[in-house]
Amino acid sequence: NAGVMQNPRHLVRRRGQEARLRCSPMKGHSHVYWYRQLPEEGLKFMVYLQKENIIDESGMPKERFSAEFPKEGPSILRIQQVVRGDSAAYFCASSEGLQETQYFGPGTRLLVL
Amino acid sequence: DQQVKQNSPSLSVQEGRISILNCDYTNSMFDYFLWYKKYPAEGPTFLISISSIKDKNEDGRFTVFLNKSAKHLSLHIVPSQPGDSAVYFCAASVPGGYQKVTFGIGTKLQVIP
Repeated sequence: NAGVMQNPRHLVRRRGQEARLRCSPMKGHSHVYWYRQLPEEGLKFMVYLQKENIIDESGMPKERFSAEFPKEGPSILRIQQVVRGDSAAYFCASSEGLQETQYFGPGTRLLVL
Repeated sequence: DQQVKQNSPSLSVQEGRISILNCDYTNSMFDYFLWYKKYPAEGPTFLISISSIKDKNEDGRFTVFLNKSAKHLSLHIVPSQPGDSAVYFCAASVPGGYQKVTFGIGTKLQVIP
């Protein structure tokens, strides 16, 4: 059973460009969570999705950030018009059920120049 | 506002000795606590958890203790092994719905051979 997959592992963008981060949950998992880890900080919750639904996006910045988890395909975290402060590691996790353990992917390290 | 606090950024322990990692929390609503281990360039890996109805949970070399009155938990690793060298994140969630996890900033453990 493959683990949570994230790609790309590293992403470099210039200010103003768009960043698209992809996450494929573990097989059988329909719950996806995105976290952001800024340098020297812990992981911060961003958004929780189930298939085709955003359940909780309370941790996501109101502007420029969006997330989706379509019926088919991976979950996407999209950052428009990136700024230097968006440079961070973005982790995706998935779980089988609501209160089940979250399994993390290897992360995408975004660097904004 | 840091609801989960790990006040020791790093810890060095001799191989074979006990490692004790500490964590304090401020949110009285937390009822489920977790420890994750993270190696460089990888995502966090679930290690062990404890419900607020218990004060101890053991899994092999890993034991988590919870002191609700002090809002404090600790992770004991005994005996420590060089492969345990990693960053350890304390995390907590509130009851109801899905597991919305709040992470501490992490403690870097180095086990010296």
